[in-house]
Amino acid sequence: DAGITQSPRHKVTETGTPVTLRCHQTENHRYMYWYRQDPGHGLRLIHYSYGVKDTDKGEVSDGYSVSRSKTEDFLLTLESATSSQTSVYFCAISESWTGGYTFGSGTRLTVV
Amino acid sequence: GENVEQHPSTLSVQEGDSAVIKCTYSDSASNYFPWYKQELGKRPQLIIDIRSNVGEKKDQRIAVTLNKTAKHFSLHITETQPEDSAVYFCAGLNQAGTALIFGKGTTLSVSS
Repeated sequence: DAGITQSPRHKVTETGTPVTLRCHQTENHRYMYWYRQDPGHGLRLIHYSYGVKDTDKGEVSDGYSVSRSKTEDFLLTLESATSSQTSVYFCAISESWTGGYTFGSGTRLTVV
Repeated sequence: GENVEQHPSTLSVQEGDSAVIKCTYSDSASNYFPWYKQELGKRPQLIIDIRSNVGEKKDQRIAVTLNKTAKHFSLHITETQPEDSAVYFCAGLNQAGTALIFGKGTTLSVSS
């Protein structure tokens, strides 16, 4: 389905625990992105990757880290989850900086 | 940094009417402007995009116009149908030209 999958689809976790979300692609695209979506804020960029082991911060990167050890996988880690990180997280892939993004189905994360 | 402002935040039209959504951007170096549609509970999907060397682009009932001097671009939907009801996001490249920054979205409701 669209060559990009996110896991898990839903997760409930407790404040202070680490959480890792996975994005997996089968398109061999170089560029991968993590966004969070919250009511009234649209889609905000957390981190992105432009190749294996090459990552950079987005506009809301505090409290998040990423890793990309293989072209197909981009992991987002919440080091110590807080209630403010309750959100829907979308991964996206792209062939180029100025190409269309394909989004995953999203992960709904609730921090209690 | 790059900022993309989108308005209106909500738009209600009657079936068959036209709908226009406008976005402004702050970084004059940005040269790629896509639009995404997100239906309820679904992932955002690219519907049309425009690059800075083009003033207008059409695809059936949707069109995008770009005014680089005024730093704004608009989405036009003609002959709206109930299935056009969704949240629409505009986007522009960040200051580094490496990732998309999204507007906060416009909720379009088309009533029959």
